[in-house]
Amino acid sequence: ETGVTQSPTHLIKTRGQQVTLRCSSQSGHNTVSWYQQALGQGPQFIFQYYREEENGRGNFPPRFSGLQFPNYSSELNVNALELDDSALYLCASSLVDYGYTFGSGTRLTVV
Amino acid sequence: RKEVEQDPGPFNVPEGATVAFNCTYSNSASQSFFWYRQDCRKEPKLLMSVYSSGNEDGRFTAQLNRASQYISLLIRDSKLSDSATYLCVVNEGNYGQNFVFGPGTRLSVLP
Repeated sequence: ETGVTQSPTHLIKTRGQQVTLRCSSQSGHNTVSWYQQALGQGPQFIFQYYREEENGRGNFPPRFSGLQFPNYSSELNVNALELDDSALYLCASSLVDYGYTFGSGTRLTVV
Repeated sequence: RKEVEQDPGPFNVPEGATVAFNCTYSNSASQSFFWYRQDCRKEPKLLMSVYSSGNEDGRFTAQLNRASQYISLLIRDSKLSDSATYLCVVNEGNYGQNFVFGPGTRLSVLP
């Protein structure tokens, strides 16, 4: 079973609202990455955190922000939600030179 | 040009068939390569890493050609349970782990 847990599993928000998604990394993994996956597409990289610092960012606007905590859990915050933000948001943790372990994701619907 | 491209699919094959997926990547500095499998409405799961020497795991064989920036996945004796979307993933390693996903190729194995 996956060691990465995400909450909530599903969420419905209205345009303009703010949302916080949460992720607990697999034990021993100090790197966490967040991805957005729209229907029918591959996951798109949002950003990555390593030891509580942002370690890289994809092509997403500043209203997408994140945090990583000392226990390596993480949050993704999205402000001023837009309809196009509707997607599956995936959190993944990793060890160097090995693939990611994904959480089961949060499905966000913006109406 | 997209960073990681895959066969558009979908692939519909009968049970027992051999099917091959192709993937190309644009960043020649990419460091590691993976195939992930994603079932409908589920998170991606690591299928196998891809090594320069080629590697095999049961019915699955992965190949990497760094000179051509090309990755392949071969599935022999396909089963109904192989039906899923197969994602090609490239770690560009610009900053720690930077996993770039292809759009995926959907496979349906038919009885």
